[in-house]
Amino acid sequence: NAGVMQNPRHLVRRRGQEARLRCSPMKGHSHVYWYRQLPEEGLKFMVYLQKENIIDESGMPKERFSAEFPKEGPSILRIQQVVRGDSAAYFCASSLRRTSGSTDTQYFGPGTRLTVL
Amino acid sequence: KQEVTQIPAALSVPEGENLVLNCSFTDSAIYNLQWFRQDPGKGLTSLLLIQSSQREQTSGRLNASLDKSSGRSTLYIAASQPGDSATYLCASETGANNLFFGTGTRLTVIP
Repeated sequence: NAGVMQNPRHLVRRRGQEARLRCSPMKGHSHVYWYRQLPEEGLKFMVYLQKENIIDESGMPKERFSAEFPKEGPSILRIQQVVRGDSAAYFCASSLRRTSGSTDTQYFGPGTRLTVL
Repeated sequence: KQEVTQIPAALSVPEGENLVLNCSFTDSAIYNLQWFRQDPGKGLTSLLLIQSSQREQTSGRLNASLDKSSGRSTLYIAASQPGDSATYLCASETGANNLFFGTGTRLTVIP
């Protein structure tokens, strides 16, 4: 039973290019979360998605960032026109279900380390 | 907005020693509190999850406690080993669909 998979593990982009980060949740998980870890900072929530729906994007920068979780295939975090400040580790997590008042454990992927030159 | 603080930021102990890591949070209306381990350049591994109705959870040499009223959680590691060296993160979940993380405690266990 493979865990959460993210690719690429390392991504280098020049300023102004686009970055696409992929996340395949654990088998059977339909809830996906993206977090960003800036150097020397804690993980910060970005977006929470279910299949074909964005549930909560309150942590996502208003411009240049978008996320999707299509019916088929991995979840994608897309960063357009990257800047040096986007350099960070981006982690994806997935969970099995959510019920009112309690949640399942979120299982994290190994992360994608984005470096913007 | 939930704020999570972890102290100390870094800790070095000799092998075999018992230790306690601290986590505090500002909003006591949490669903759960989780402790994670992060190794350099790696992802996060969930260690323990305490639901809001629970007071503690144990797994092997690890014991996590939760005191919602005071906004505190502790992670106790017994008989520390060099393999325990890592960054330990605590995270609380409120009704906001996501985890709020502390900045972590970097633990070094010296052989």
